[in-house]
Amino acid sequence: SQELEQSPQSLIVQEGKNLTINCTSSKTLYGLYWYKQKYGEGLIFLMMLQKGGEEKSHEKITAKLDEKKQQSSLHITASQPSHAGIYLCGADINQFYFGTGTSLTVIP
Amino acid sequence: GAGVSQSPSNKVTEKGKDVELRCDPISGHTALYWYRQSLGQGLEFLIYFQGNSAPDKSGLPSDRFSAERTGGSVSTLTIQRTQQEDSAVYLCASSSTTGGTGGGTQYFGPGTRLTVL
Repeated sequence: SQELEQSPQSLIVQEGKNLTINCTSSKTLYGLYWYKQKYGEGLIFLMMLQKGGEEKSHEKITAKLDEKKQQSSLHITASQPSHAGIYLCGADINQFYFGTGTSLTVIP
Repeated sequence: GAGVSQSPSNKVTEKGKDVELRCDPISGHTALYWYRQSLGQGLEFLIYFQGNSAPDKSGLPSDRFSAERTGGSVSTLTIQRTQQEDSAVYLCASSSTTGGTGGGTQYFGPGTRLTVL
């Protein structure tokens, strides 16, 4: 079983469209990380959320940790081809776990 | 099938000692990555191996850190003269070289939790 479940598993959107990726945990999260994965470059750290209800933004990417601290969402506004990649959430729950990943394709 | 494995799962050491962390990637994966996850911080890239090419060492924080990959498979991350700030979870990942959907996806090991006293 996965400690962190992501949905959807893959996403194909037209450039300019908004999209949301979800990360759900069965346990309370005390720190939730979002990463973008690009082949050959290693993971890219996007942002970290710690407090319930916390919301952070970086350029056109916004992430939020719900008040119960068991789910986080990543929202991309006006998607661009440069947003394409695999998005991973991660959390330290006794050991560090990554989510199942969401593959994003943005069609120009 | 077998995933990425790392050993030991936990390591407690004294300041100044050397430590070796081991990573066994998924069989057939030619790319191998080492990362460090410190408390409250994002994942930090350390080093990347791709086949027989020279590794990308751009993320190693100091010359006390080194890594080897023998025979294009198992990798060892060595930290010499450990410091308290080296305490972190060290994660290894591997990926295949094929492109396309799913290609290049990094598969992570369970990590080694290093504590330097």
